[in-house]
Amino acid sequence: DSGVTQTPKHLITATGQRVTLRCSPRSGDLSVYWYQQSLDQGLQFLIQYYNGEERAKGNILERFSAQQFPDLHSELNLSSLELGDSALYFCASSFGHGTEAFFGQGTRLTVV
Amino acid sequence: TQLLEQSPQFLSIQEGENLTVYCNSSSVFSSLQWYRQEPGEGPVLLVTVVTGGEVKKLKRLTFQFGDARKDSSLHITAAQTGDTGLYLCAGESNDYKLSFGAGTTVTVRA
Repeated sequence: DSGVTQTPKHLITATGQRVTLRCSPRSGDLSVYWYQQSLDQGLQFLIQYYNGEERAKGNILERFSAQQFPDLHSELNLSSLELGDSALYFCASSFGHGTEAFFGQGTRLTVV
Repeated sequence: TQLLEQSPQFLSIQEGENLTVYCNSSSVFSSLQWYRQEPGEGPVLLVTVVTGGEVKKLKRLTFQFGDARKDSSLHITAAQTGDTGLYLCAGESNDYKLSFGAGTTVTVRA
């Protein structure tokens, strides 16, 4: 158990819908990262938050957004969902920069 | 395109053999991490290397960071079936992004 909690574990939704994925970081960790993993793209960095502020941005679509709340949990919002958005979405947390990242078990999103 | 290129993409060996996985980039990283991921699970950190030329050993696993901090290798001695998994390298750049390679799928046959 990494200490990072992601909910839900599985999500099935229709195209055009909007979903929210939730992540609770390890106790004491200030950084939260979101990643998308699909079979053909590998683990793609989406976005990082540090202590409530956006710190780094990767290949995140405009239809996707995220935020980190004062209690340090984070949410990833995916809207206008397309079939190609089906993937595993991982959240990871670390204490700060240059420190080890610990991953949650992921949310498997299936868009039908 | 991946910032970090891992090779080979797939590796299948017999138990007891040795293997090496490579992670290469044209970018310099402030640190490089190796993870192992099993199906349906999140990646689990194996090691972090920070200094150019650094070598770290974790039982039968040896990790090396290149002198220029652009590449790394993971060597497993006398592989066991429990070493089967997806091995990922990840580099942290100066803008705080942690970028992953596509991974090497290692299968160790009994």
